[in-house]
Amino acid sequence: DAGVIQSPRHEVTEMGQEVTLRCKPISGHDYLFWYRQTMMRGLELLIYFNNNVPIDDSGMPEDRFSAKMPNASFSTLKIQPSEPRDSAVYFCASSFSGPKAFFGQGTRLTVV
Amino acid sequence: DQQVKQNSPSLSVQEGRISILNCDYTNSMFDYFLWYKKYPAEGPTFLISISSIKDKNEDGRFTVFLNKSAKHLSLHIVPSQPGDSAVYFCAASAFTSGTYKYIFGTGTRLKVLA
Repeated sequence: DAGVIQSPRHEVTEMGQEVTLRCKPISGHDYLFWYRQTMMRGLELLIYFNNNVPIDDSGMPEDRFSAKMPNASFSTLKIQPSEPRDSAVYFCASSFSGPKAFFGQGTRLTVV
Repeated sequence: DQQVKQNSPSLSVQEGRISILNCDYTNSMFDYFLWYKKYPAEGPTFLISISSIKDKNEDGRFTVFLNKSAKHLSLHIVPSQPGDSAVYFCAASAFTSGTYKYIFGTGTRLKVLA
């Protein structure tokens, strides 16, 4: 298995633009997580899904952030409109009914 | 409010010596703890975990200790190797409550000097 696949690896966008981050979890995994890493706050959980259903989105910072999981093999995290303070590394992770999650390589987002 | 804290942002250790990374938590509902290692430009990778019913778990050079009364866990690496240089994150979850919500600390950057 190729592991959790995220795209793009790097994204540079202008303030106010819409940004969409993509994630393909490991096949067969039933949990999917979106995290954001910053120097100040470390790895913050934004939202997680179980069997494609959002379970807890209390970490989503603002209404500008939204996440979807239309099927078991694909999820998106969208920021609209983007702001410079959204600049961070965004990680997607998946797990199979257990605590051990496998992370993707991350998307480094820079909003200028 | 940080529920999982790693108060040492960085640590340097000589090759062959013991590395001790610390983590404190505030939520008494946490019952499962994990350590992840992260190299630059890569995602975190699982290293070792411990359930709250145990106070120690060992895997090769890596041992995690849990002190529930102090709400403290630590990761020991013996002997430390240059390849262990990475950022280490501890994470906690209220696993038996049916939630897989992992709360991570801010990480400790370990540098093992050759």
